[in-house]
Amino acid sequence: AQSVTQPDIHITVSEGASLELRCNYSYGATPYLFWYVQSPGQGLQLLLKYFSGDTLVQGIKGFEAEFKRSQSSFNLRKPSVHWSDAAEYFCAVGENTGFQKLVFGTGTRLLVSP
Amino acid sequence: DAMVIQNPRYQVTQFGKPVTLSCSQTLNHNVMYWYQQKSSQAPKLLFHYYDKDFNNEADTPDNFQSRRPNTSFCFLDIRSPGLGDAAMYLCATSRDLTHNEQFFGPGTRLTVL
Repeated sequence: AQSVTQPDIHITVSEGASLELRCNYSYGATPYLFWYVQSPGQGLQLLLKYFSGDTLVQGIKGFEAEFKRSQSSFNLRKPSVHWSDAAEYFCAVGENTGFQKLVFGTGTRLLVSP
Repeated sequence: DAMVIQNPRYQVTQFGKPVTLSCSQTLNHNVMYWYQQKSSQAPKLLFHYYDKDFNNEADTPDNFQSRRPNTSFCFLDIRSPGLGDAAMYLCATSRDLTHNEQFFGPGTRLTVL
């Protein structure tokens, strides 16, 4: 079964600094990969997704992620963080055959300092 | 705007008192999902409907059931809520079962007294 690891529970970044959130997955084939963001008390919003093709994926709000098969990683990046980016970020992997059940990582809480 | 709507946003119930959470969608998607998310944890899939076909996750307690009377609506019924069922319940939809992103509603936070 597939699994997702987000090794960082909390990350604090200064406003304007760059950000990288780590995500590692375990899956036998090429997975479908997603990053979602969740603001406090809210549902999940899709930031970006990778199905195939170009391994560098652009998303909303200035986020991007890079799929690295050799490292089983799908790290999320943003060149300059804004205070409004403070939220919980979830990486998820979906199977690419049959029912695409999403398995989520445990999340990384991003704090943005002034 | 097409969206996923959940009502109520906050629900308080008593231990053992049945409760129903509601989800509706204007996306006309075939699949609807219910997730349970406990504090500081990842969302956990409870079940999903593909059209009228119901699919339960193996580890979903029998206390949780669902109904989908039509394409637009899906309900989560908790027959006898326990303190451990206090959580955020997220509804999501996708166009189909494969190769599709899931769209999430804002969630219903359930408190059990």
